[in-house]
Amino acid sequence: SYELTQPLSVSVALGQTARITCGGNNVGSKNVHWYQQKPGQAPVLVIYRDTNRPSGIPERFSGSNSGNTATLTINRAQAGDEADYYCQVWDSSTAVVFGGGTKLTVL
Amino acid sequence: QVTLKDSGPALVKPTQTLTLTCAFSGFSLSTSRMSVSWIRQPPGKALEWLARVDWDDDKFYSTSLKTRLTISKDTSENQVVLTMTNMDPVDTATYYCARSPVGSSAFDIWGQGTMVTVSS
Repeated sequence: SYELTQPLSVSVALGQTARITCGGNNVGSKNVHWYQQKPGQAPVLVIYRDTNRPSGIPERFSGSNSGNTATLTINRAQAGDEADYYCQVWDSSTAVVFGGGTKLTVL
Repeated sequence: QVTLKDSGPALVKPTQTLTLTCAFSGFSLSTSRMSVSWIRQPPGKALEWLARVDWDDDKFYSTSLKTRLTISKDTSENQVVLTMTNMDPVDTATYYCARSPVGSSAFDIWGQGTMVTVSS
C-alpha cells in the first residue's frame, strides 16, 4: 500500500519561512493536496493539485512536488499559522492516503 | 453556500453497528460531478480515510476496513450514510464527511465532525 511520510514537527521563527515535506515513492507523479487543522477544528484545504490555492487562502502558502518529495511552503509565518498540516494523495491501489501530519510551531 | 453536517451517536458499545449521516446543502450529488467521503481521526492521531461515494453511485472503501463499511447516498434527501459494523474501542474517533469534485480527490469542504466513543 502507498504511504506518505511527514516530519512530526517543524518549528519556524515568526516572519520566517516554514517548509513542510511529504515523502512518498514517486509522489511527483501524483496530485498532492495539503490541509491545515487547528485544535478542535475540521481540516481546511490550503493547497490542491500540488500548487493551487483555494480562494481565501493567503498567497503566503505555496506548494511544490517533484520526485519523491512534495513541499508546503509558508512564507512570513504568523502565529495564526500554528496548526497540524496533512498531505494527501489518491493512489490507484490504496485510494485516499493521508500523511501522518506535521505540527507547525511558530516561535 | 456549500455546507456539510455530520452526525451520529456520541457513544456506541463494542460489537454494535455505527450509523453516521452526512447532510449536505449547496450542491446535488445526483447532478453535479461530486463525491462525498468519510474520514476519521482518533484523538491525537492522524486523519484516516474510510469510504467514498460518487455522484454516479461508484463506491470506494479503505482496504483495511472494507469488510466493515457500507456507504450509500440518498439523493432525494441530500444525505450520505456510512455504517460501520462490529465497533471496537480503537474506533473511537471524530468522524468527518467531506466533499471532493470527481477527478480532483481534494476535499474542499468538510463537515464539523462528530465524536464517537466506543465503550461498554
